[in-house]
Amino acid sequence: DAGVIQSPRHEVTEMGQEVTLRCKPISGHNSLFWYRQTMMRGLELLIYFNNNVPIDDSGMPEDRFSAKMPNASFSTLKIQPSEPRDSAVYFCASTQNWGHYGYTFGSGTRLTVV
Amino acid sequence: DAKTTQPPSMDCAEGRAANLPCNHSTISGNEYVYWYRQIHSQGPQYIIHGLKNNETNEMASLIITEDRKSSTLILPHATLRDTAVYYCIVRVPGTASKLTFGTGTRLQVTL
Repeated sequence: DAGVIQSPRHEVTEMGQEVTLRCKPISGHNSLFWYRQTMMRGLELLIYFNNNVPIDDSGMPEDRFSAKMPNASFSTLKIQPSEPRDSAVYFCASTQNWGHYGYTFGSGTRLTVV
Repeated sequence: DAKTTQPPSMDCAEGRAANLPCNHSTISGNEYVYWYRQIHSQGPQYIIHGLKNNETNEMASLIITEDRKSSTLILPHATLRDTAVYYCIVRVPGTASKLTFGTGTRLQVTL
């Protein structure tokens, strides 16, 4: 099993540009989570899905952020337009049975908005 | 989910046991104790979880007090690769409750 796969690993973009982060969860996992990590705020849960349906997006900071999960093997987190304060590491995680045996995290995407 | 309290940092000599404490005095009867760690620049990694009995796996042991108000994660023979931030989280598994990370304990393993 290749684990949770995120792409790209690093992204540098200019303010105002659209950014799309991608995640492939572990096959068979039916819950997917997007987290953001910064030095100031630590690990924050942005949104999570169960069976491809968004369950709670209360952590999404602004309307500039959107997430989709068109099928069980793919999810995207989009920022449009991006701002320098969006610079952070974005992690995707997946699990089954609501994480009774733990979540599996990807390696993250380090986003820098200049 | 119940709030947890952990020391911000700890040191441990390589080869010695690392004992990381966590207080969760408001834990409810159906909440489990979970431990994750995050090695620098990597995603968090699940370590172990338990309800009230002590648990052990290939990575660590989890000791939960009888009143369940505190627990200790034990790394029996710490190595430099165990240097990381360790997070103690309590939540009800099998539900839509969020996995919320606090500030954790930064464990530094030294030679």
